[in-house]
Amino acid sequence: DAGVIQSPRHEVTEMGQEVTLRCKPISGHDYLFWYRQTMMRGLELLIYFNNNVPIDDSGMPEDRFSAKMPNASFSTLKIQPSEPRDSAVYFCASSPTGSSTDTQYFGPGTRLTVL
Amino acid sequence: AQSVTQLDSQVPVFEEAPVELRCNYSSSVSVYLFWYVQYPNQGLQLLLKYLSGSTLVKGINGFEAEFNKSQTSFHLRKPSVHISDTAEYFCAAISGGYNKLIFGAGTRLAVHP
Repeated sequence: DAGVIQSPRHEVTEMGQEVTLRCKPISGHDYLFWYRQTMMRGLELLIYFNNNVPIDDSGMPEDRFSAKMPNASFSTLKIQPSEPRDSAVYFCASSPTGSSTDTQYFGPGTRLTVL
Repeated sequence: AQSVTQLDSQVPVFEEAPVELRCNYSSSVSVYLFWYVQYPNQGLQLLLKYLSGSTLVKGINGFEAEFNKSQTSFHLRKPSVHISDTAEYFCAAISGGYNKLIFGAGTRLAVHP
């Protein structure tokens, strides 16, 4: 299995531009999670999906952030407009079920730099 | 507040020495506990997890952790570290009734020759 795939691995953009991060979960996993990692706040859960439906988006910082999962094999996290404080590493993770005992499998992350 | 606390931000250690990375959790989180490792420029990888049963949990790469309910701790240990163990280690717990992970701030383990 290829694991969780994220693209791009690195993104550098200017303030005000739209940024789209992409994720392909492990095949057969029903749950998908988006996390953000910063020095100041550590790892934070932004949103998660169950069977392509957003379940909890309470971690999404602002309306500038949006996430979609049009099908079981693809999800996007969009920031519009981007700001320098959005600079972070964004991780996607998936798990087979939503059970509390399930392991979450993480992708390699996208390092976003907003100038 | 629901929280996971990692007491050391950095732990330097010499190769082949033992190491302990400390983690405490608040009683408000569940006792489903995890340790993840993040190698440079990579995603997080599960080392081990405690769900129930034996309080001593063995994981990959020779790591183990002990769940201590009375001290609300879940410390990670390895009897002899290698240079390749240099990485950031995250303790995490499940919060709420579903698979929502709360992470500690991380401990950077630096193994020196």
